[in-house]
Amino acid sequence: QVQLVQSGTEVKEPGASVKVSCKASGYTFHSYDFNWVRQAPGQGLEWMGRISPYNGDTDSAQKFQDRITMTTDTSTSTAYMELRSLRSDDTAVYYCARARPLDNWGQGTLVTVSS
Amino acid sequence: DIVLTQSPGTLSLSPGERATLSCRASQSVSSNYLAWYQQKTGQAPRLLIYGASRRATDIPDRFSGSGSGTDFTLTISRLEPEDFAVFYCQQYGVSPWTFGQGTTVEIK
Repeated sequence: QVQLVQSGTEVKEPGASVKVSCKASGYTFHSYDFNWVRQAPGQGLEWMGRISPYNGDTDSAQKFQDRITMTTDTSTSTAYMELRSLRSDDTAVYYCARARPLDNWGQGTLVTVSS
Repeated sequence: DIVLTQSPGTLSLSPGERATLSCRASQSVSSNYLAWYQQKTGQAPRLLIYGASRRATDIPDRFSGSGSGTDFTLTISRLEPEDFAVFYCQQYGVSPWTFGQGTTVEIK
């Protein structure tokens, strides 16, 4: 069965960077895009961007374009999302999710930004 | 960006009742690329409906989606105890993909 397993909780200071991983199994890795979605505490869902493991093409929401880097490693079937210049309002659970629409989700990674 | 507005914000119903959730888009959703997700507290969202009306794998047939263009509806024909949660609509036709703000279906 399809599984997406994300890395663990992160605590970062303002201005730092965070890199979240998402390891896929149960299907052919390069066949589906990876998306990143975040959810601030008590808030709704926000799409951040997506990457094609097949050719590396990316697309991201304008508000993240200068701070986000999405990559994939086909040798380990893992997708990565790095967010730089963290602020307190980046505190959220970050999810990876497969395909279009989002048919399988990781368990989420809590990123807390605090001094 | 396409803005999705969900209504009502909260729906208070009893098990066995019918739930009707609305999602209105600020502009037409291309190819009806409209999905619905269910999220329970502390869990990741789960895909229920895609293409406005197609049930995702293993989704019970009490969940149905309808609509086109700018107006979409998720209907739960008879609420089961496990259905109470937050529901989000999402358009995935045009970048940036956007979500509605969510509708909470709570036990009355």
